[in-house]
Amino acid sequence: DGGITQSPKYLFRKEGQNVTLSCEQNLNHDAMYWYRQDPGQGLRLIYYSQIVNDFQKGDIAEGYSVSREKKESFPLTVTSAQKNPTAFYLCASSASTGGETQYFGPGTRLLVL
Amino acid sequence: DQQVKQNSPSLSVQEGRISILNCDYTNSMFDYFLWYKKYPAEGPTFLISISSIKDKNEDGRFTVFLNKSAKHLSLHIVPSQPGDSAVYFCAASAPSNTGKLIFGQGTTLQVKP
Repeated sequence: DGGITQSPKYLFRKEGQNVTLSCEQNLNHDAMYWYRQDPGQGLRLIYYSQIVNDFQKGDIAEGYSVSREKKESFPLTVTSAQKNPTAFYLCASSASTGGETQYFGPGTRLLVL
Repeated sequence: DQQVKQNSPSLSVQEGRISILNCDYTNSMFDYFLWYKKYPAEGPTFLISISSIKDKNEDGRFTVFLNKSAKHLSLHIVPSQPGDSAVYFCAASAPSNTGKLIFGQGTTLQVKP
């Protein structure tokens, strides 16, 4: 049963706290992506990784960090520098980065206490 | 600068009729277009895609049309079913974007029984 899993489904962050969102895929995909969705808006790219141990900033990378130590895992850390972290976070993967369809996980909703 | 635009925030159609969702883009370098369907609090599900070398792609009830000269694509759903009620996003990518997808704002489709 291949796919993308994200955990947790809901996450609460306190002021000044860093939190990490998990994304795992067993599709053997090379490329992985993190998007953020705000109400009434489309998805905006935070970070992406084309290959293990390599990643690039997307359009809204400030206040976020990622790592890609394993092919199947691409965790996203929302740091205290991200002043408006409340959003729905979506992880995606694709076989490669050349005209390939991206497949999405179920998402994590981050709320600030 | 919104490179991919879905100008209709919502659309309501009767069950059994045709649903037409529209999407416009500004970047002539886009060469791959996708439609995703999204339910609340879930990740987007891939529906159908089209390469810029084609002007039509069909998959069951779903057909995507691409008009490159007008920089316009549309998704036709025939016949529409109540289960099609969701938010539909169009997305585009260009060779230079290394697989990055640019999303429209989404159109909420409601299919009434």
